[in-house]
Amino acid sequence: AQKVTQAQTEISVVEKEDVTLDCVYETRDTTYYLFWYKQPPSGELVFLIRRNSFDEQNEISGRYSWNFQKSTSSFNFTITASQVVDSAVYFCALTSYGNNRLAFGKGNQVVVIP
Amino acid sequence: DAGVTQSPTHLIKTRGQHVTLRCSPISGHKSVSWYQQVLGQGPQFIFQYYEKEERGRGNFPDRFSARQFPNYSSELNVNALLLGDSALYLCASSLGTSNTKNIQYFGAGTRLSVL
Repeated sequence: AQKVTQAQTEISVVEKEDVTLDCVYETRDTTYYLFWYKQPPSGELVFLIRRNSFDEQNEISGRYSWNFQKSTSSFNFTITASQVVDSAVYFCALTSYGNNRLAFGKGNQVVVIP
Repeated sequence: DAGVTQSPTHLIKTRGQHVTLRCSPISGHKSVSWYQQVLGQGPQFIFQYYEKEERGRGNFPDRFSARQFPNYSSELNVNALLLGDSALYLCASSLGTSNTKNIQYFGAGTRLSVL
């Protein structure tokens, strides 16, 4: 079975601060994919990033960066210099090789205070 | 290009009724998946369809059914509605099911309230 744990429920930051969201996953598969999605109040899940289990290179894309550590089964996500428009619920998700069903965590509510 | 579109956006039903939710995928996408999101939780996988065939089913009762049409649009049907079926129902589309095509793009959802 696959499981994704996002321990923090609500995180409040002041605008321009950095915010890091933790994600820990469990899977028996050796090949899998990890995702981060953003859900603003409108309800639509917006795809942010995808990593596969073979690629532990951490990257930066604009104000987003992620830290994938296979040894600790963690896939953390950081928003640098947060803005009010970043206020949303962020979900970490996992799927296996050849299987398109996403297993989501409970989400992190991020509130950016102006 | 249009994203994933879902209809209706909101729906109110009473217990025991039946509901049909509709989804149109992004143009060129052949796979559609359905998820249920209860308030305060992450989405839960219900079904996946690819080329009109069911490719996966989550842990939901037989009251839930779905189908995919030749134009790749999809319907989710729920019979004998229960109060616990109240949720946001999300549809997602992807190019396919292979690993290079597995990014799922979501619609804004249908919010179902069962009274």
